[in-house]
This record gives sequence, C-alpha cells and structure tokens, in this order.
Amino acid sequence: DVKVTQSSRYLVKRTGEKVFLECVQDMDHENMFWYRQDPGLGLRLIYFSYDVKMKEKGDIPEGYSVSREKKERFSLILESASTNQTSMYLCASSSGQFPLLLSPSGANVLTFGAGSRLTVL
Amino acid sequence: DAKTTQPNSMESNEEEPVHLPCNHSTISGTDYIHWYRQLPSQGPEYVIHGLTSNVNNRMASLAIAEDRKSSTLILHRATLRDAAVYYCTRAGNNRKLIWGLGTSLAVNP
Repeated sequence: DVKVTQSSRYLVKRTGEKVFLECVQDMDHENMFWYRQDPGLGLRLIYFSYDVKMKEKGDIPEGYSVSREKKERFSLILESASTNQTSMYLCASSSGQFPLLLSPSGANVLTFGAGSRLTVL
Repeated sequence: DAKTTQPNSMESNEEEPVHLPCNHSTISGTDYIHWYRQLPSQGPEYVIHGLTSNVNNRMASLAIAEDRKSSTLILHRATLRDAAVYYCTRAGNNRKLIWGLGTSLAVNP
C-alpha cells in the first residue's frame, strides 16, 4: 500500500516560531501536495510540487513556503507562525504527469497522510 | 463557481443503500469526477472516480448523469464503518482538484 507519512500528528507552537511540517511518501510519486483543512472552509491547497525542486503556489500560499529536495519528501514551512495558521494540515501525493485529472487511469488519485494538527498560541 | 455542491449531512441505517448526490454543473468535458471520504481523525481516502460511464469498485458505485452536471456515489449496503465525510471533487481552472465541503454521513445501527 502507498503510504504517506506526516512526521507529527499534533504540534503546539508559539506565535512567531518557525514551524516545519514534514511529509514522506514511499511510492516514488511525482506529485506532492500540502492542504489545510478548516471547519466550514473545507480543504484548501497551499502548495504543490510535481518534481524535485519544483513548486507551485496553490490557493492560499501566503505565510507558507515549501521545500522538495528529494522526491519522497515535501516539507511545509511556516516562517513565523501566527494564530490564524492554527489548522489541520494534510499532505498528499499522486503519480502521473501534471496536469492532473486528464488520465483515465487511477494515476491521478491522491493518497493522503493522517494529518498534522497545529495549534499556534 | 467551480466548487462542487453536496448536502451538508445525510443519515442512513445499517445495511441499507445510500445515495450521496453531488452537483458539478460547471464541469468541463475532459474533467474526471473523483470521490474521497474522510473517516474521523484520518486524512481523506480515495473512493472512486469516473468520466462519463457509471463505475463500480469494491467500495462503491458511481453514477454519472448523462449531461455530467451531477453524480451520485452509491454505497450498496452501509456499515457503521462507512460513517465519514464524503467529498466529491473535480478539476478547477488551474487543473488542480477543487474540494467542496462534503457530506457528513451518519449510519444508524
């Protein structure tokens, strides 16, 4: 089974701290994603990467950066955490060439990690 | 609006069929419809996807309207483990998945 592992299930940080959320996938997937999930707002895409060292902004990139130095690892960085970044963060990966959803195969299916719940005080 | 539209919540009894509707009236002709579900305290998991024809897999069936403006996820016999939030997704203008707010399914024993 494809596994996407997020390093921390729960984190508590203070305002202004630098926060790293790590995600590792073990199926050699080309594409990796970071979402945040908030009640009433659903899943919103922060950043994604379709290749090593490549990244593209999603719908809400402000206040975040990402790093993909190796194919299996995609990190989300909060340079200076703020209380409005308290959320559930979800990492996902998929195979297949970008853009997605143009393939009849299941290659574009997203596999998610269990999530990292971040609280910023 | 590119988002999908789903009822906020639905309820079913165990071992009965469940039909979860989704409206995606602005979908383009080449966009697949994907369904995911999220169990409590877990990330979303893939359920099924399709383009035009109805699709079946071991988890569920997907019925897609002829005009593709709506689809229905069918759970043939609901179990307590099917209690989850079900998301219907489609591609947005930038070709990335657009997520609606999902339907919270409660299954009564």
